[in-house]
Amino acid sequence: DVKVTQSSRYLVKRTGEKVFLECVQDMDHENMFWYRQDPGLGLRLIYFSYDVKMKEKGDIPEGYSVSREKKERFSLILESASTNQTSMYLCASSSYRLAGYEQYFGPGTRLTVT
Amino acid sequence: SQQGEEDPQALSIQEGENATMNCSYKTSINNLQWYRQNSGRGLVHLILIRSNEREKHSGRLRVTLDTSKKSSSLLITASRAADTASYFCATVRGDSWGKLQFGAGTQVVVTP
Repeated sequence: DVKVTQSSRYLVKRTGEKVFLECVQDMDHENMFWYRQDPGLGLRLIYFSYDVKMKEKGDIPEGYSVSREKKERFSLILESASTNQTSMYLCASSSYRLAGYEQYFGPGTRLTVT
Repeated sequence: SQQGEEDPQALSIQEGENATMNCSYKTSINNLQWYRQNSGRGLVHLILIRSNEREKHSGRLRVTLDTSKKSSSLLITASRAADTASYFCATVRGDSWGKLQFGAGTQVVVTP
């Protein structure tokens, strides 16, 4: 079974803190994604990576950065957390070897910034 | 902007009934996928239909695709309480590195 894990299920941080969200997948997938999910807005893509050290901005990259030093790990960084970054964060992975590019998701991290 | 838009936004049915939800999209697609999300959890891939397919089945799931109308439907037959979840459609564009565009989802509640 494909497994995507995220470092925390729940996280509470203060405004201005630097926040690291970690995601690890064990299926040797090339592509990894970070989304945020807010009520009524569905999933919005923050960043994605199609290879080690490669990254591209998604739809809402402002206030975020990412790091992919190893194929299995993709980190999302909030440089200076703000209250409007309170959200559910979902990591996913996929592979070009999957003909339909279906994505496998982690359980999510619910981040609260106070 | 959202590529996929689900309809209805919410659906409440009783166990044993069928649940139907629809998805519309705006641009040409490579394939369309449906995902389920249980409350507070990650999404789980349910079924994929390619642009040259019109209908696909998987267990109690039936998906149709009408590329001329840019729409898809997901039917869950003989629903169970465990089907209570949010359902999302997602489309893959051919030039997208496997990026998906998700709709806002349909929230389905199945009461015993």
